Amino acid sequence: KQEVTQIPAALSVPEGENLVLNCSFTDSAIYNLQWFRQDPGKGLTSLLLIQSSQREQTSGRLNASLDKSSGRSTLYIAASQPGDSATYLCAVPLNQAGTALIFGKGTTLSVSS
Amino acid sequence: GAVVSQHPSWVICKSGTSVKIECRSLDFQATTMFWYRQFPKQSLMLMATSNEGSKATYEQGVEKDKFLINHASLTLSTLTVTSAHPEDSSFYICSGTGTPKTQYFGPGTRLLVL
Repeated sequence: KQEVTQIPAALSVPEGENLVLNCSFTDSAIYNLQWFRQDPGKGLTSLLLIQSSQREQTSGRLNASLDKSSGRSTLYIAASQPGDSATYLCAVPLNQAGTALIFGKGTTLSVSS
Repeated sequence: GAVVSQHPSWVICKSGTSVKIECRSLDFQATTMFWYRQFPKQSLMLMATSNEGSKATYEQGVEKDKFLINHASLTLSTLTVTSAHPEDSSFYICSGTGTPKTQYFGPGTRLLVL
């Protein structure tokens, strides 16, 4: 049974710092991996999706890497801003693309100005 | 990207009443819709999978008679929480998958049962 774990559960940093969020999964036979952002009481915003054949994806100040063999993904946030404060979730499909997602518990990030 | 809406965005009800939550795909046909539940400080957990015109498939531990799911059209799925109790208070999020098989999430519905 696939399990997704995120470390740390919470993180507080001053504005401007670069930071790394970690995600691990127990079954390396994943189809893809996705990072989401969730603001308090809100739905999900998709940030990056990495296909199983890819090593990383970048969008602006965000860079996500994927190492299937070790069952790990990292989300790198450069030059953090207070607006980055949110909970970051990683998720993998239950089976192939288009199936339900298995989520980690998330990392709650707080960036202070 | 494609848009999924949910209605209502939040609802407060008395214990014992039933609550219906609608999930609509606004600009694509969602052949499959998923319903998730998120308790405070917990992650999203899949409740059920529904395919248009078919009975929903429920995850282990989710009572199908309590959480009624209807997916009668390619753009609408509903989740009805029957005889709601305080422990059903949660954040319910739906997602829809069309072609290509990318999931699009709704904004969520916060349910508070008093």
